[in-house]
Amino acid sequence: DADVTQTPRNRITKTGKRIMLECSQTKGHDRMYWYRQDPGLGLRLIYYSFDVKDINKGEISDGYSVSRQAQAKFSLSLESAIPNQTALYFCATSTRDSNQPQHFGDGTRLSIL
Amino acid sequence: AQKVTQAQTEISVVEKEDVTLDCVYETRDTTYYLFWYKQPPSGELVFLIRRNSFDEQNEISGRYSWNFQKSTSSFNFTITASQVVDSAVYFCALSEVYNAGNMLTFGGGTRLMVKP
Repeated sequence: DADVTQTPRNRITKTGKRIMLECSQTKGHDRMYWYRQDPGLGLRLIYYSFDVKDINKGEISDGYSVSRQAQAKFSLSLESAIPNQTALYFCATSTRDSNQPQHFGDGTRLSIL
Repeated sequence: AQKVTQAQTEISVVEKEDVTLDCVYETRDTTYYLFWYKQPPSGELVFLIRRNSFDEQNEISGRYSWNFQKSTSSFNFTITASQVVDSAVYFCALSEVYNAGNMLTFGGGTRLMVKP
């Protein structure tokens, strides 16, 4: 079983719809992150969380919200999806040590029509 | 602010050639970590290596080697005798020790295509 699981893996939806992407982990890590990947731009941080109920904005948080109700789960919501939010979304986890790599889920490919 | 630049957006080589992927970074911190990740066509991100700013020793792992040069703020990645399975997008990333949240700043990635 994957240590960091993202659901769904693929989603196609229409402009204006509310969408939730889920991330769960079995690594026992405190920290969780949501990134989006766009061609040529690498990964950019949307939100991150140090612990349950702790939420911090990343580089590109506008249009997104997150929820961390349990240590193992971190969900990302698009309240009213727009086409330029079409991207590949990754969840990641890490320990508190900045020298440790982040561990990524397999990604969610989201298309907004 | 921290920044990572991967100037090569795409590289194409023929199998068995050596190839070097460049990574240049900017940071104000004296303590930081550098990472390389691989993203194969299947899409997942695979961690390859971590290097801290105090350790400038080069590292070799099989056909992979990394050259960290603090003087030029570079952390380049070389694949020796490339193989088709090396075809992927490679990301270089930086984490400053004292930034909030252990956040990674990624470069834009280099797409490597290895042709048979």
